[in-house]
Amino acid sequence: DTGVSQDPRHKITKRGQNVTFRCDPISEHNRLYWYRQTLGQGPEFLTYFQNEAQLEKSRLLSDRFSAERPKGSFSTLEIQRTEQGDSAMYLCASSLDGPSYNEQFFGPGTRLTVL
Amino acid sequence: KNEVEQSPQNLTAQEGEFITINCSYSVGISALHWLQQHPGGGIVSLFMLSSGKKKHGRLIATINIQEKHSSLHITASHPRDSAVYICAVRSETSGSRLTFGEGTQLTVNP
Repeated sequence: DTGVSQDPRHKITKRGQNVTFRCDPISEHNRLYWYRQTLGQGPEFLTYFQNEAQLEKSRLLSDRFSAERPKGSFSTLEIQRTEQGDSAMYLCASSLDGPSYNEQFFGPGTRLTVL
Repeated sequence: KNEVEQSPQNLTAQEGEFITINCSYSVGISALHWLQQHPGGGIVSLFMLSSGKKKHGRLIATINIQEKHSSLHITASHPRDSAVYICAVRSETSGSRLTFGEGTQLTVNP
């Protein structure tokens, strides 16, 4: 257990439905990252937050995806009008970044299956 | 061509063998990570390197910044080492994002 938790661990939904995932980072960590991993591939960056500010978004993050970190603690990732291509493992990570770069700690992931 | 390339993609070994997984990258980096992923998805950070060599138990990670290459070694491999090993880099220009290799599936047979 790295201290980063994600909920739910598994989600099965029908195409066209909206889904929301939650990530709780390690409490003192100011940076929070979302990654997506499809079967047999390495993870790909989606977005990251420094406190409550969303500092960077990947081109992978289409208009159907939105992420928030309203109080600089937990974060949510919402996918609207899900498509079968959204089926993947969604990973969250957190780090404490200051003058030097520190390692990222990963959560267990949320596996999304879109039918 | 991916920014981060790993080899081999799949590796099968007998218990006790010495294992090497390689990672090459094409960008300037500020840090390189070796990560372990077990079935079910959870990722554990094994090492974060910016130069030289690190050792933790039976695991050794090395990096050659000039050659843009890193290796992960496992000595006296054990079936519990079976997992996917992923190399990830933080480039000098990409902020905090990590760019990942596709992973190496390691299977250690008893």
